[in-house]
Amino acid sequence: AQTVTQSQPEMSVQEAETVTLSCTYDTSESDYYLFWYKQPPSRQMILVIRQEAYKQQNATENRFSVNFQKAAKSFSLKISDSQLGDAAMYFCAYIGMRRSGSGNTPLVFGKGTRLSVIA
Amino acid sequence: ETGVTQTPRHLVMGMTNKKSLKCEQHLGHNAMYWYKQSAKKPLELMFVYSLEERVENNSVPSRFSPECPNSSHLFLHLHTLQPEDSALYLCASSQEAAAYEQYFGPGTRLTVT
Repeated sequence: AQTVTQSQPEMSVQEAETVTLSCTYDTSESDYYLFWYKQPPSRQMILVIRQEAYKQQNATENRFSVNFQKAAKSFSLKISDSQLGDAAMYFCAYIGMRRSGSGNTPLVFGKGTRLSVIA
Repeated sequence: ETGVTQTPRHLVMGMTNKKSLKCEQHLGHNAMYWYKQSAKKPLELMFVYSLEERVENNSVPSRFSPECPNSSHLFLHLHTLQPEDSALYLCASSQEAAAYEQYFGPGTRLTVT
């Protein structure tokens, strides 16, 4: 079974600084997607960034970028120029490519990292 | 309303009560999900509906009963719950063809007394 591990329960960063959140995963599949979701105190989970495993290029979305190391099964999130609005729980998630003949496959989530931003 | 909405946002119920959680998606998706989020645990997938048919049920106790009357609505019927069922219940939806990206509702904070 696939597992996702986030080893940092809590992190903090100074406003305008850069922070990296760690994520490792375990899978025997070769094709999959990885995601970072953000859950602010208002609780609405929103997608921050996603990475297709077959792409070697790291995904980037404005101030958010990932360091995807497929061989090491590592998928870290870097937040540059941190802002107060970045404070939230961040979840790393994995989903395998849809099994042949089946419907949607479930996301597997890590336990999350709580990020605090210090003004 | 846009995106995925959930009602109620907060619910307190006794162990003998019967209540229902409602989820509605306005994204034109045809797959919907129920997740349970407990403190210090990963999100747990409970149920998946695709085209209004249940396709996954992750060994959830029968005191949780899902219902998907159409592709836009999803319910979770609750009865004789236990205190350990207290959690945040999240609904999500996705487009069948792009199942890899799910959109979440704000959740219902459930407290069982």
